[in-house]
Amino acid sequence: DIHMTQSPSSLSASLGDRVTITCRASQSISRFVNWYHQKPGKVPKLLLYAASTLQSGVPSRFSGSGSGTDFTLTITNLQPEDFGTYYCQQSYSLIFSFGPGTKVDLK
Amino acid sequence: QVTLRESGPALVKPTQTLTLTCTFSAFSLNTSGMFVTWIRQPPGKALEWLALIDWEDDKYYRTSLKTRLTISQDTSKNQVVLTMTNMDPVDTATYYCARTVAVAGFTFVDYWGLGTLVTVSS
Repeated sequence: DIHMTQSPSSLSASLGDRVTITCRASQSISRFVNWYHQKPGKVPKLLLYAASTLQSGVPSRFSGSGSGTDFTLTITNLQPEDFGTYYCQQSYSLIFSFGPGTKVDLK
Repeated sequence: QVTLRESGPALVKPTQTLTLTCTFSAFSLNTSGMFVTWIRQPPGKALEWLALIDWEDDKYYRTSLKTRLTISQDTSKNQVVLTMTNMDPVDTATYYCARTVAVAGFTFVDYWGLGTLVTVSS
């Protein structure tokens, strides 16, 4: 199975900050990475698919990049509703896998 | 509006078999590029992908749980069923079913059910 890792595991940030989260795959997966955001007690929400394509309705302050094994999620101008946990997920194989998550909280 | 709803027991005993049903609406699993996925999340922990079934009735399982999982569909009822045998306390989690779609060759989860908490305890 393809193993996904994320860094950092957690970070503290202030409103208006630029935040970068990294995801790494155990093998090359082209651009088959999706990013989700989950607030405490809530269902995850899709942010981006195909590494960099913004899901409909997701604010443009979210962006993604990367290909192969290394991927990045960037949030510019962090807003109150952006706190929570972010997960990357690979869909290169239909045996999906998620990263361990990156928790973003208020500094 | 796409909706998914998980149903099943809230409490199961160790060694028992868990059966969860996902009932969905506003899409068809007969449509090319359509999938239903099961994902779980132990309390306070990360998402864990479990199984997926597609429009051609192909099935995919988490390798470490493959011997314990079975996913099936009843297209006439718009339902997907997940069974997990030999339940253990470590299987305590919120279990989600989710719609998964393929767009331009890329597959992603776009709609989630609210999840159902399953506790494994004697």
